[in-house]
Amino acid sequence: DGGITQSPKYLFRKEGQNVTLSCEQNLNHDAMYWYRQDPGQGLRLIYYSQIVNDFQKGDIAEGYSVSREKKESFPLTVTSAQKNPTAFYLCASSIRGTLRERNTEAFFGQGTRLTVV
Amino acid sequence: GENVEQHPSTLSVQEGDSAVIKCTYSDSASNYFPWYKQELGKRPQLIIDIRSNVGEKKDQRIAVTLNKTAKHFSLHITETQPEDSAVYFCAAPRTALIFGKGTTLSVSS
Repeated sequence: DGGITQSPKYLFRKEGQNVTLSCEQNLNHDAMYWYRQDPGQGLRLIYYSQIVNDFQKGDIAEGYSVSREKKESFPLTVTSAQKNPTAFYLCASSIRGTLRERNTEAFFGQGTRLTVV
Repeated sequence: GENVEQHPSTLSVQEGDSAVIKCTYSDSASNYFPWYKQELGKRPQLIIDIRSNVGEKKDQRIAVTLNKTAKHFSLHITETQPEDSAVYFCAAPRTALIFGKGTTLSVSS
């Protein structure tokens, strides 16, 4: 069953803790992305990676970190420096990077809802 | 970089009516414009997309139109049904897709 899988579905974090959200895909896609979704804010880009061992900051990267050591995996760490981490986090992938000359559909995972307690 | 504005933020229609959602983008070099539908608690899923070499694309009850000169594109849903109720997002490409803030469509029967 091909697809993109995020885990866990729900995550609770205490103040001052770092947490890592998992994103795995078996679609053999080159590019992967992390978005944050807040009510009324749409999907805002946190980080993206167009190829293994390379990643770039998106529009709201502060307080987050990522790695891309394997093609199929793109974990997101929410650090204690992120002041308002409660949100719905969506991971996505596409066959290749969504460059204007090579744009392709992005497929989303089911999301992780992170709550600070 | 690319910036995408989406209107309206909420839209309520009666079953059978048409619904139109509009987006504007800033970068004239953008050439791919997808629309995603997100049902409550679920992932966004692509419903239709258009590339800049065409002005309109249809798929059954949904259609997308593109005006490159004005830098805007629209989603049209005809004969709306209650199952069309969802949040709809437009997007345009930078090095990653940049999304509008979404439109919550409510279809009442």
